[in-house]
Amino acid sequence: EVQLVESGGGLVKPGGSLRLSCAASGFTFSSYSMNWVRQAPGKGLEWVSSISSSSSYIYYADSVKGRFTISRDNAKNSLYLQMNSLRAEDTAVYYCAREVRGSVTAIRYFDLWGRGTLVTVSS
Amino acid sequence: DIQMTQSPSSLSASVGDRVTITCRASQSISSYLNWYQQKPGKAPKLLIYAASSLQSGVPSRFSGSGSGTDFTLTISSLQPEDFATYYCQQSYSTPVTFGPGTKVDIK
Repeated sequence: EVQLVESGGGLVKPGGSLRLSCAASGFTFSSYSMNWVRQAPGKGLEWVSSISSSSSYIYYADSVKGRFTISRDNAKNSLYLQMNSLRAEDTAVYYCAREVRGSVTAIRYFDLWGRGTLVTVSS
Repeated sequence: DIQMTQSPSSLSASVGDRVTITCRASQSISSYLNWYQQKPGKAPKLLIYAASSLQSGVPSRFSGSGSGTDFTLTISSLQPEDFATYYCQQSYSTPVTFGPGTKVDIK
């Protein structure tokens, strides 16, 4: 079955760290760019970070730059998000999402999402 | 960053109604516009990509149109399973950005 499964969420104090994982199965993980997208309780979707298939290109939202690090292990079909210096405003459900890119045009979209993992930053 | 707006923010409709949601970008994004549906407690689901291309497995009552800065998502005949929140997303430039969402609920 084609799926993404996130793990690693939980309750952490402000200033603390957490590492999220996303396990991919059912498709050739190494062929796709991957993303993290988060959603604060009752709020909309916010893109967090992306990583290309070979890890050559990495991007972050300004809100997490310098605090979060995205990485992947294609041998393990896994995506990661290391989150440091966590703040209350980082509280959200974190989704990993597979990115499809057009072969000719610059079209790209997120066609496969995990169920998400909840990160709560609170003292 | 490209800002996305959606209107309305919410709407009430009945089964069988034709529903139209509008999305506007702060600058031209050509046709690099995607639509997602999200139900409570669930992950977003891709409906439409590249403004008007229907994702595989998505019912044909969903359609998208537009280019440049103005886009629409239309549900031709609302079904009970369509009550959800809908988000547009621009993929023209990084960071990709989402609209604030349009919640469709039952009248």
